[in-house]
Amino acid sequence: LAKTTQPISMDSYEGQEVNITCSHNNIATNDYITWYQQFPSQGPRFIIQGYKTKVTNEVASLFIPADRKSSTLSLPRVSLSDTAVYYCLVGDLRRALTFGSGTRLQVQP
Amino acid sequence: DTAVSQTPKYLVTQMGNDKSIKCEQNLGHDTMYWYKQDSKKFLKIMFSYNNKELIINETVPNRFSPKSPDKAHLNLHINSLELGDSAVYFCASSQEGAWTGELFFGEGSRLTVL
Repeated sequence: LAKTTQPISMDSYEGQEVNITCSHNNIATNDYITWYQQFPSQGPRFIIQGYKTKVTNEVASLFIPADRKSSTLSLPRVSLSDTAVYYCLVGDLRRALTFGSGTRLQVQP
Repeated sequence: DTAVSQTPKYLVTQMGNDKSIKCEQNLGHDTMYWYKQDSKKFLKIMFSYNNKELIINETVPNRFSPKSPDKAHLNLHINSLELGDSAVYFCASSQEGAWTGELFFGEGSRLTVL
């Protein structure tokens, strides 16, 4: 399994850009990198996925270096509603898709 | 309409009892999963079903058994409940044929074993 390591928690203020980095040193060739967001008492929600380089959608960007041993989720101009736990997930459908403990992001006014 | 729905949302029971949690998805997905989230917020996969076949089965006690009557349903049966089974259980689904890494999760079922 491609184990992932993320910071336990991060603090930010509204309007700032937040970057959360995930380490996955033993990522396999077929593995994709996916990020999820989870609010209290809800199931995780897909944010973004990538394989290499950079991916951007309407809510976030994902930066993946050439060696793919890490990835960075970038949230532009966070708001209070972005306060949540963010999970980095590495794998493919045929492998165990276990999430790590995630990064608890607290956005303050 | 809820894409992935689980029932019950809360379940409180005594040790030794047998209980079930139901899950239904209306997304037409081929694969469904059960996850367990413990107090430390780790989300661990327990089972997944693809076209009625178990394709992932982690080191889960055999007291836990998934039942899939059709590809839209994956129920979780738990026998002889133990205190350590207390957790939030999430059902999820994905479309294997168009695997994009996106899992669709239900709202979770909080199980408390007394």
